[in-house]
Amino acid sequence: GENVEQHPSTLSVQEGDSAVIKCTYSDSASNYFPWYKQELGKGPQLIIDIRSNVGEKKDQRIAVTLNKTAKHFSLHITETQPEDSAVYFCAASSNSGYSTLTFGKGTMLLVSP
Amino acid sequence: DTEVTQTPKHLVMGMTNKKSLKCEQHMGHRAMYWYKQKAKKPPELMFVYSYEKLSINESVPSRFSPECPNSSLLNLHLHALQPEDSALYLCASSQTGTGDEKLFFGSGTQLSVL
Repeated sequence: GENVEQHPSTLSVQEGDSAVIKCTYSDSASNYFPWYKQELGKGPQLIIDIRSNVGEKKDQRIAVTLNKTAKHFSLHITETQPEDSAVYFCAASSNSGYSTLTFGKGTMLLVSP
Repeated sequence: DTEVTQTPKHLVMGMTNKKSLKCEQHMGHRAMYWYKQKAKKPPELMFVYSYEKLSINESVPSRFSPECPNSSLLNLHLHALQPEDSALYLCASSQTGTGDEKLFFGSGTQLSVL
């Protein structure tokens, strides 16, 4: 089955700095890579996703890059704000059969004012 | 309405109790999911219903019994739970359940088993 590794487990930055979270996956059949943000007391919320036919995707301060050859993908947050503080999960899946999301272990991001 | 609503938000139960968790969505989604999340861990998939049929059971103990009365509702019936079952139980939905779709999560039910 799929295995997703996520690093770092915790990340502390100053407000305005950039933050980068990296994930690797093992199954070459995976073709969908979402990122979820989970704030305290809430369920995970999708913030951005990328499919294997695309190398990079941006949405305002958030970007995701994908390297299919190396089987890794990264989340980039620029100009971080205190409200970006949360746990971020990467995940991978395919659209074949009964494929389901495999989550990374999560990164706790703390943005200090 | 892009919400998944879960009730109750908190639940404390004894090991001999029977209780149910409820989940509702009105986005017209045809796939619904139960996840279990322990503190500081990622969500773990328990069950998937697609078009009101159970399509995935991730070898969950029989003390957890899912039910999908219709495409908008999902229940999780709990019986004879163990203290290690204490966790956040998350419901999610997606359009069809193909695996490469956006999941919409509820805020969860925080369950404590005494």
